[in-house]
Amino acid sequence: EPEVTQTPSHQVTQMGQEVILRCVPISNHLYFYWYRQILGQKVEFLVSFYNNEISEKSEIFDDQFSVERPDGSNFTLKIRSTKLEDSAMYFCASSEGWGGYGYTFGSGTRLTVV
Amino acid sequence: AQKVTQAQTEISVVEKEDVTLDCVYETRDTTYYLFWYKQPPSGELVFLIRRNSFDEQNEISGRYSWNFQKSTSSFNFTITASQVVDSAVYFCALSENSGGSNYKLTFGKGTLLTVNP
Repeated sequence: EPEVTQTPSHQVTQMGQEVILRCVPISNHLYFYWYRQILGQKVEFLVSFYNNEISEKSEIFDDQFSVERPDGSNFTLKIRSTKLEDSAMYFCASSEGWGGYGYTFGSGTRLTVV
Repeated sequence: AQKVTQAQTEISVVEKEDVTLDCVYETRDTTYYLFWYKQPPSGELVFLIRRNSFDEQNEISGRYSWNFQKSTSSFNFTITASQVVDSAVYFCALSENSGGSNYKLTFGKGTLLTVNP
């Protein structure tokens, strides 16, 4: 069964450093998403991406965040200057379309900012 | 207001007991989708079920069953004869047509289920 692949599985970074989280969505999917889950809390929407542009972003997704699909296969989330409160599990997801097609989640990247 | 409410923060049961996890949602759309995901201690999100708003038929899959009631905006999840391996956080989620090309999932806060031997 096709999978969404996320790398790395765990990243530790120093406060103020830039990080790039990488995702390879399922090849025929058109919609891409990043979600965040702070430890012990719910999964929160960050951003959705379709047709090479952001279709919606949450209030969490401020100027420190950016997304890119640089080569038609990878989908990246960049945090420019990490803060302690960015420590969380970051999930990438993709879907063929809306709702009825379902969403496939990657296994997540645990980001720890020290 | 929360779009997806899981009022039970934690539930603890003894193995072989039946347990129901509640989910209440809020939407103005007539077409929407509801999901349940399981998050075991390893952290990944495991898809359990997807249900569209036009299909109120209850579903059973092995020990799992789902009760969808539009009249009460609820989509409850029952595990029959629970097992220790069912211990996890369970999330209910809603996908609405927010317009344009945005079809994000909105999650509830989750219910931590602990099944004791």
